[in-house]
Formats: sequence, C-alpha cells, structure tokens
Amino acid sequence: DAAVTQKPRYLIKMKGQEAEMKCIPEKGHTAVFWYQQKQSKELKFLIYFQNQQPLDQIDMVKERFSAVCPSSSLCSLGIRTCEAEDSALYLCSSSQGTGDNERLFFGHGTKLSVL
Amino acid sequence: GMPVEQNPPALSLYEGADSGLRCNFSTTMKSVQWFQQNHRGRLITLFYLAQGTKENGRLKSTFNSKERYSTLHIKDAQLEDSGTYFCAAERANAYKVIFGKGTHLHVLP
Repeated sequence: DAAVTQKPRYLIKMKGQEAEMKCIPEKGHTAVFWYQQKQSKELKFLIYFQNQQPLDQIDMVKERFSAVCPSSSLCSLGIRTCEAEDSALYLCSSSQGTGDNERLFFGHGTKLSVL
Repeated sequence: GMPVEQNPPALSLYEGADSGLRCNFSTTMKSVQWFQQNHRGRLITLFYLAQGTKENGRLKSTFNSKERYSTLHIKDAQLEDSGTYFCAAERANAYKVIFGKGTHLHVLP
C-alpha cells in the first residue's frame, strides 16, 4: 500500500491533557481524511481536507479537536482536552481526490489511550 | 437504514473453506473499497472498484452500483486471512467515504 505516515504510533495521555498526532499524506495526494476507530469497530469520519482546506467535519471535531494541514505534506489532529471516550485508533488517509482516483490509502494509525 | 450495511458481522471458517461477505447500500454509490484490518490495526486495501469484478489471488470482489451491493469472496481460506474486513463506499457527487461496520473473520485450523 502507499506510504501514508502517522506519528506517533502510540500515545498515552491523562484526562484533561492535550494530545497531538501527525499525518504525512502520500505525495501528490490532495485529499486527507481522519477517522476514529474504537475497539476495532466501525470507522467514524472526523474531518476532510481538500488542498489543505477543511471542507467537512463532525461537530465533535469542531468543539473539542483542532485539525490543520499547514502544508501538503503534513497534517495534524489535536485534542484540546482529552477525555476517556477519546481513547481510540486515529487513522489518517489520503487520496488523489480527483475523479476516479479517489482510492484511499491509510496510515498505520495512532493509538491513543486516555487514562 | 444505514447507508452501508455489511454482513455478516462475524464469520468463522475452517482452513480451505470458501465464503463471501456482502455490503448493501441504501443509495447509489460510485465506488467501493474493501479493506482488511490486521491485528495491529493497519488497514490494507484489497480492492477498489468503480464497477464490475476484480480478482486477486484467492480474493474476488464484485460491485454492482445499480443493484446497490458489493461482495468479497474468499476462496481456500488461510489462517492469515483472519482479521476484520471493511467495505467503504462513496456516494455519487460526494467525497465522504462511508464504512460498513466490518466483518470479523476467524479462520480456524
């Protein structure tokens, strides 16, 4: 699979702390998505960037998360104040985002544990 | 109903058996992807389909946009096939990919 890089692989935070995770999309990809997955269950859409601009995000992200793509080669997803329910695997994916080239490529994910 | 309904939720197979997974869509989708998630959490793309059927080794996938379904067929199941399989579909004129709830596959020796 293509090389979408996520760092760190594991992240442990106390309740109330700030968390930040990074994603380097596949080179040339203009669309970046973040998903949250709890306990190997369904993937929940969080936010979508196209050409570094956030085009869609769920309310939870608007309220408690911070997500940016300051460059085409780096995006980050942050949680301002971690809560226990934020414990999950956070998956970043990218795609070329045009026409038929919208196949998603995923990183390994960042596994966040909030204690 | 759910935009992407995936069945079965869980499946146990003996090595060497064949089986199929299915996703039904509540609306017209323009593409579907199938992923295998391994025990470490990594999502591996198996297929990307805009229409028709694709095969790769022991795996075969079909996507019928008009009939609103996609299938993933596993032939001669191996232990390493164990994991969770997700389908993800994209609506026409949309960008957001919607995931099914996954099928937990356990291949038994």
